[in-house]
Amino acid sequence: DTEVTQTPKHLVMGMTNKKSLKCEQHMGHRAMYWYKQKAKKPPELMFVYSYEKLSINESVPSRFSPECPNSSLLNLHLHALQPEDSALYLCASSQDASGIDVGEQYFGPGTRLTVT
Amino acid sequence: RKEVEQDPGPFNVPEGATVAFNCTYSNSASQSFFWYRQDCRKEPKLLMSVYSSGNEDGRFTAQLNRASQYISLLIRDSKLSDSATYLCVVTVLFSGGYNKLIFGAGTRLAVHP
Repeated sequence: DTEVTQTPKHLVMGMTNKKSLKCEQHMGHRAMYWYKQKAKKPPELMFVYSYEKLSINESVPSRFSPECPNSSLLNLHLHALQPEDSALYLCASSQDASGIDVGEQYFGPGTRLTVT
Repeated sequence: RKEVEQDPGPFNVPEGATVAFNCTYSNSASQSFFWYRQDCRKEPKLLMSVYSSGNEDGRFTAQLNRASQYISLLIRDSKLSDSATYLCVVTVLFSGGYNKLIFGAGTRLAVHP
């Protein structure tokens, strides 16, 4: 099973809402990632979890709050977002977060988020 | 200067053509190198790793020149299904011994009949 799943596929939320994005992988990977991708731009790294610990936070605003409940699950909690946060949010996983393994990432299909 | 630079294209080529994409990176400490492919409104998928010795996977050949900090991808006998955006990706060392991916902006390829 080489699949990373994400829910929901689409999400529309107001600026005062609280919502969560979910990601799951069953490949036994120990590193999981959140990326943000705007139209016609490459993915931008937000967070990296390695062995369920937050390893990298790319200076992401606190209105985005990641959580890794176990080695297979990754959540992104959203609160008080701005319209400019509208984007495709991609989850990915890799065997490890160091060495060459980090380059071989498997991406989920993403959640297309619209903030109104 | 961007960390990873690519020609955005689009490259419009007929089926059967050979097309080459180039990429340069600025961080000489970059550790490993990859090409990813992203179809329209889909997630990126790893196409191939890139080694200094070069590597080939069917119709695809990737080359790395560390001295020039240059990466290339050659696609022979293009198929309609090759139409996608090709992302040049390098890994850089982050604090704590972790690596992270740096993506180029991507080169768009459109193969027509």
